[in-house]
Parts: sequence; structure tokens; C-alpha cells
Amino acid sequence: GAGVSQSPSNKVTEKGKDVELRCDPISGHTALYWYRQRLGQGLEFLIYFQGNSAPDKSGLPSDRFSAERTGESVSTLTIQRTQQEDSAVYLCASSYQGNGEQYFGPGTRLTVT
Amino acid sequence: QQQVKQSPQSLIVQKGGISIINCAYENTAFDYFPWYQQFPGKGPALLIAIRPDVSEKKEGRFTISFNKSAKQFSLHIMDSQPGDSATYFCAARRSSNTGKLIFGQGTTLQVKP
Repeated sequence: GAGVSQSPSNKVTEKGKDVELRCDPISGHTALYWYRQRLGQGLEFLIYFQGNSAPDKSGLPSDRFSAERTGESVSTLTIQRTQQEDSAVYLCASSYQGNGEQYFGPGTRLTVT
Repeated sequence: QQQVKQSPQSLIVQKGGISIINCAYENTAFDYFPWYQQFPGKGPALLIAIRPDVSEKKEGRFTISFNKSAKQFSLHIMDSQPGDSATYFCAARRSSNTGKLIFGQGTTLQVKP
């Protein structure tokens, strides 16, 4: 079946602009995660959605970052007033349950100029 | 407490050799330790994972060794092949804590033909 998909694959934006990144999880997966991967670094957890439970937002680095998920489907990560330090690959993962194996999408490479 | 430390940062191995990557953690509440493989431009893919009730798990040429008392675990790639050239990440999770993964910094493996 189809894996996790993310769009756009690449995004170049000017400092101060807002961006929206999209994630389509694997159908039937109730859990969805966003991670950030800076160049040459490991992945940093950003936010977690599980069904109708309150999301775990503990990894969001500032109030410029927010995310939404509609039910058990698409999620969008929004970064407001982008800064150069926001440049990174943003990865989305989904799993069948909260503690299941996480399947990652290909990521969105964000470049803030 | 939340960190996972991974070494080496980069590794060069001859074809047919053994690649060894090490990780250490502090949080004794972690109870799931996966290894991910990432090729350039792709999202990480789960390679193999272990829980602390066993000391070793083998899948094909890939083996995880786990030392609970030392809070260390390692990935061994036997008979390394050029196609194994990729970045490898260890990770850890406390299953009661939303399932979010804490990643090591990554090891770039190059297998020379």
C-alpha cells in the first residue's frame, strides 16, 4: 500500500514568511509524528497526534510552530514568521498505534533565505 | 536524561567487513531501542529493534547487542556491502510516553568496494 507522503518535497521561503507543510499518513494509522532534522543532525521530535487525544506538543521549539490533524488523516505543520534557523528537513511519521513501528515519509526540505 | 549518544560520527569499512555503531543512553525508563537506516533524500526506515528483556537480536546480516547494565546498545553489520552505505540512527523510546523517539546524532557509513 501507499506509504507516508509529504508535500511539498522542497520549499524555499523568505525570512518572515509563513509556511505550511503537509503530511498524509498511511491509511488506518492512528498515530502521527512530526520530527525536524537539521543538516548532519539526528531527528528532533516536534509533535505527536494519537486519535482524538490531546496532542503532545512538548517538542515544538517556539510558539511560531503549530500543527493540526483532522481526525486520523492529513496533518499540517505551520511555521509562522520563518527564521533562517528553521531551515531543515521536516519529517512526518505514522504508526498503527501510539507505540507501533513508525513509518517515515520522505520529508520536506525547508530553506529560509 | 533524554539524550541518546551515538558514535562514531562516520565510519569507513571495506566490503565484507564488520561495521559497528554504538549508542548509549541515560534514561532507564527507555524500553524500546530501534535502529533506522536513511539514504540521501529519503526518510529513515526501520532496520531492526530490540527491547531490554533480550541481550541480542539478529536479522540477516544485522545484529543488535544490548547491555542493560551499561545502558549501551550497538548495531553490527556483518559482511558489509556497498549498498549498506547510508546514515544510521539509533533511537530510544519510553513506551508509556506517547511513543516519541529520541534519536542519536547519526553515523554515516561508507562501505568501500
